[in-house]
Amino acid sequence: QVNLLQSGAALVKPGASVKLSCKASGYTFTDYYIHWVKQSHGKSLEWIGYINPNSGYTNYNEKFKSKATLTVDKSTNTAYMELSRLTSEDSATYYCTRTAPYYWYFDFWGPGTMVTVSS
Amino acid sequence: EIVLTQSPTTMAASPGEKVTLTCRASSSVSYMHWYQQRSGTSPKLWIYETSKLASGVPNRFSGSGSGTSYSLTINSMETEDAATYYCQQGSSYPDTFGAGTKLELK
Repeated sequence: QVNLLQSGAALVKPGASVKLSCKASGYTFTDYYIHWVKQSHGKSLEWIGYINPNSGYTNYNEKFKSKATLTVDKSTNTAYMELSRLTSEDSATYYCTRTAPYYWYFDFWGPGTMVTVSS
Repeated sequence: EIVLTQSPTTMAASPGEKVTLTCRASSSVSYMHWYQQRSGTSPKLWIYETSKLASGVPNRFSGSGSGTSYSLTINSMETEDAATYYCQQGSSYPDTFGAGTKLELK
């Protein structure tokens, strides 16, 4: 069965960076795009961007272009998102999720990684 | 960016009651997708491409709409349906979500 296993919660200092992981299993990794979605505490969902694991092509929400960097390691079926220059506004739960190419609904979601930015 | 406005923000329904949640888009979209999120868990795909039920979703749920107006309907509210429901569009960059409707059990 499809599974997206995300890295554990992170506590990071303001100004630092953090790299989150999302390990996929139960399907062919390169057949689906991996997306990342932000959910601030008690609030709605924001789409950050996606990566095509097959080609490495990325597409970012303009709002997150200078904040997030998406990469993949095909050898381990793992997607990564690095968040840089962290501030309190980046404290949130981050989900990885997937779509089939050219289909824009998210059919499976990881459990989320909570990131807390605090000194 | 297309803004999705969900209404109501919060509502309570009794078991057996019919429930309708709406989602209005600031511009026309081809499809609307819906997600259910229970407290402390990740969202789950619930309805995709406006009216198709995701795997495992009970058939008391239905979706409809077109253009800028979409809805999710529960034919007969059950206890397990209490959750927050989000609409999402992927027709236009960037993908956007509504603010959610929190559905509670009365």
